[in-house]
Amino acid sequence: AQSVTQLGSHVSVSEGALVLLRCNYSSSVPPYLFWYVQYPNQGLQLLLKYTSAATLVKGINGFEAEFKKSETSFHLTKPSAHMSDAAEYFCAVTDSPYDRGSTLGRLYFGRGTQLTVWP
Amino acid sequence: NAGVTQTPKFRILKIGQSMTLQCTQDMNHNYMYWYRQDPGMGLKLIYYSVGAGITDKGEVPNGYNVSRSTTEDFPLRLELAAPSQTSVYFCASSYGTGSGMNTEAFFGQGTRLTVV
Repeated sequence: AQSVTQLGSHVSVSEGALVLLRCNYSSSVPPYLFWYVQYPNQGLQLLLKYTSAATLVKGINGFEAEFKKSETSFHLTKPSAHMSDAAEYFCAVTDSPYDRGSTLGRLYFGRGTQLTVWP
Repeated sequence: NAGVTQTPKFRILKIGQSMTLQCTQDMNHNYMYWYRQDPGMGLKLIYYSVGAGITDKGEVPNGYNVSRSTTEDFPLRLELAAPSQTSVYFCASSYGTGSGMNTEAFFGQGTRLTVV
């Protein structure tokens, strides 16, 4: 089974500052990777996904993430934070499509990172 | 498009009561999932289904049951509610095919359950 580690359960930045949310996965075979955002009392919304195409993935709301196989990482960044970015962010991975017996579509989630944006 | 619809949005149960959380999707997705979300713990998979008539356990299945009689519906049953089942429950669905482009999961708005 996959595991996902999100470093930092809480991240605080000032409005206009760089946002960096960290995510590392455990698989030696590259899985598919996702970042989801959850606003208060809402469900999860997909920000972006990596599915073995370009390693730099652009998502909604100005977010992007870079897949680094050598570091087993998929960190989420945004050059300039906005107040509306305050939310909880989850990194998730699927089983690798190259693993026999994998269940594609089954997602493993990190514990989440709460992003606070100060004015 | 309605996407994934969960009912109810909120529920308070007494210990030992039973209830069914409803989930339906209108995207013709094969894969459906139930997750529970607890503060600081992320989402844990309870059960999932890869198609009508096929279900399997996830990480935390104890105390829950599911069925999948149609492609659209995937209800979650709590038979004897316990305080440990106080949580927010999310239903999700995806195509779940061999193409990575189709493994994105779509989530419902959640059901907030309190067991007292």
